[in-house]
Amino acid sequence: GQQVMQIPQYQHVQEGEDFTTYCNSSTTLSNIQWYKQRPGGHPVFLIQLVKSGEVKKQKRLTFQFGEAKKNSSLHITATQTTDVGTYFCAGPSNTGNQFYFGTGTSLTVIP
Amino acid sequence: EPEVTQTPSHQVTQMGQEVILRCVPISNHLYFYWYRQILGQKVEFLVSFYNNEISEKSEIFDDQFSVERPDGSNFTLKIRSTKLEDSAMYFCSSGGLGYTFGSGTRLTVV
Repeated sequence: GQQVMQIPQYQHVQEGEDFTTYCNSSTTLSNIQWYKQRPGGHPVFLIQLVKSGEVKKQKRLTFQFGEAKKNSSLHITATQTTDVGTYFCAGPSNTGNQFYFGTGTSLTVIP
Repeated sequence: EPEVTQTPSHQVTQMGQEVILRCVPISNHLYFYWYRQILGQKVEFLVSFYNNEISEKSEIFDDQFSVERPDGSNFTLKIRSTKLEDSAMYFCSSGGLGYTFGSGTRLTVV
């Protein structure tokens, strides 16, 4: 079945350092979504990318959708302690009615 | 900002009992979803619901599970004859232009 993998599984960074998580799908995706989940919290929708090669920015966060629409990345510049959490990507099934979440990258920011 | 509301926040139940998890989606959203997340693991899709019927369900969503939208606002997930391995966070989500998750119900089966 369709799989969505993320690397790394865990990342510890010093505050102020950059962070990147990579998402890879076993199939071509019509779109990809990114979520942030704080410890003990629920997933919070960050963004959806639709176009091949699309790059979107939200303040210090940069999201990219690969040319082949099978991979994506999230880059955080100059991390802050408020960035702590697990970042998940999610891609739809062929029907668009089911979403496959990635395995997540847990970010720890050391002050 | 509109929210997806889930109740209860925590449910403890005996193995074999039935539980009903409740969700109030955002009112103008058309697509509704249930997910579960076992502690420390990724979010797993259970079922999607559109136009008052199931649009897709995962392999996890077997005959033990059912969903309803009984009154046009609430969206429920029923788990019959709960098992220990059903212990997890259950999230409801609704979608419009974006996707909003509720705060979840932590289900503990003992």
